Amino acid sequence: QLQLQESGPGLVQPSETLSLTCSVSGDSITSSSYYWGWIRQPPGKGLEWIGSMSYSGTTYYNPSLRSRITISVDASKNHFSLKLSSVTAADTAFYYCARRNEVVTIRYFDSWGQGTLVTVSS
Amino acid sequence: IVLTQSPGTLSLSPGERATLSCRASRSVETYLAWYQQKPGQAPRPLIYGASNRATGIPDRFSGSGSGADFTLTISRLQPEDFAVYYCQQYSTSPWTFGQGTKVEI
Repeated sequence: QLQLQESGPGLVQPSETLSLTCSVSGDSITSSSYYWGWIRQPPGKGLEWIGSMSYSGTTYYNPSLRSRITISVDASKNHFSLKLSSVTAADTAFYYCARRNEVVTIRYFDSWGQGTLVTVSS
Repeated sequence: IVLTQSPGTLSLSPGERATLSCRASRSVETYLAWYQQKPGQAPRPLIYGASNRATGIPDRFSGSGSGADFTLTISRLQPEDFAVYYCQQYSTSPWTFGQGTKVEI
């Protein structure tokens, strides 16, 4: 059974870079059938898709965050990562990693990590 | 693509029928999913392709619609169904979510 688990600092200084990792178990991140991505949710608010990446390197980023995002995949560790630069208080949120299928008709987010809260504050 | 969910909050009793709406700013064909989120938990997929139940989802949950208007119906509310529900389109990147409908007792 697929499991996703986020990890990383819970507190980030303003203007610094937020870095999170999602460890994948129960499936190989090298599978050609999936995209691996990130979604965030400010406390008490709705969901915002950040970006997704396939193992082959194809990326989709939210245009509203594109200039600050890097998503990468590490097959040797079976995990993928998010870097969000120049953070502000507006980036405080629960960050979820998630998988979606590459097939157009079923490319919803079918598996999610439990989420991790990242607070941006000095 | 902007997704607008209504109502914002739905107050119902166990055993009643819940009808949630999601309207897209332009057609997403049937590339629409629904998710359930309980406090302190990640969203859980319920419906994909507008009307297909995800793995393990009970048949009291059903989805319908195409184009720009979609509905999630919970036929007989169980105590564990009180939660926030989000729709999400995967027709066109950036993938977007509705603002959510809270189903409360």
